Amino acid sequence: EIVMTQSPATLSVSPGERATFSCRASQSISNSLAWYQQKPGQAPRLLIYGASTRATGVPARFSGSGSGTEFTLTISSLQSEDIAVYFCQQYKNWPPITFGQGTRLEIK
Amino acid sequence: QVQLQQSGAGLLKPSETLSLTCGVAGVSLSDNSWSWIRQPPEKGLEWIGEITHSGNINYNPSLRSRVTISAVSETQFSLTLNSVAAADTAVYYCARGGKMRRFLDSWGQGTLVTVSS
Repeated sequence: EIVMTQSPATLSVSPGERATFSCRASQSISNSLAWYQQKPGQAPRLLIYGASTRATGVPARFSGSGSGTEFTLTISSLQSEDIAVYFCQQYKNWPPITFGQGTRLEIK
Repeated sequence: QVQLQQSGAGLLKPSETLSLTCGVAGVSLSDNSWSWIRQPPEKGLEWIGEITHSGNINYNPSLRSRVTISAVSETQFSLTLNSVAAADTAVYYCARGGKMRRFLDSWGQGTLVTVSS
């Protein structure tokens, strides 16, 4: 099973500033990585797949990068509606599909 | 735009069986893969298993002995989890994945299942 590790656990960012999330895979997953946003009481929403491709309707301020074992999700200019928990997920080797433990984004 | 609608009981006693169904609108099961995922309160996401576009079933090894996923119809699939315990208390989601790539682009609304005596 591929273990996904996210850091930090909580990220505090001021409005308009950049937010950077990290995700590490326990072995190479090429670019088979997705990012999700989950707001309280809602289902996760797909943001990024293929490590860097934005899903339909996702604002351009969200971008993804990385390959192999190290990945990054960046919000270029934080908006208040971006407050959520962000998860990464690998789909290179399954079963099982595995998720990171999540990073909580809060407003500074 | 595919829509997923979940149904099933939300309150169970220990040792009972969890049963949930997910209906898909706008596509048929043969168009994609279909997963079940759960999320304990204030915790992360755990993939339970899937039914593929060709009808094959894959399970998370951690739950394999207690889980059954099956197709109910062309547009519905189900989850059964036997011998539930308090640790199975979670929000359960169904979601759509691709035929070849398993990122999950559409999700059901979630069902809170509480196991309590």
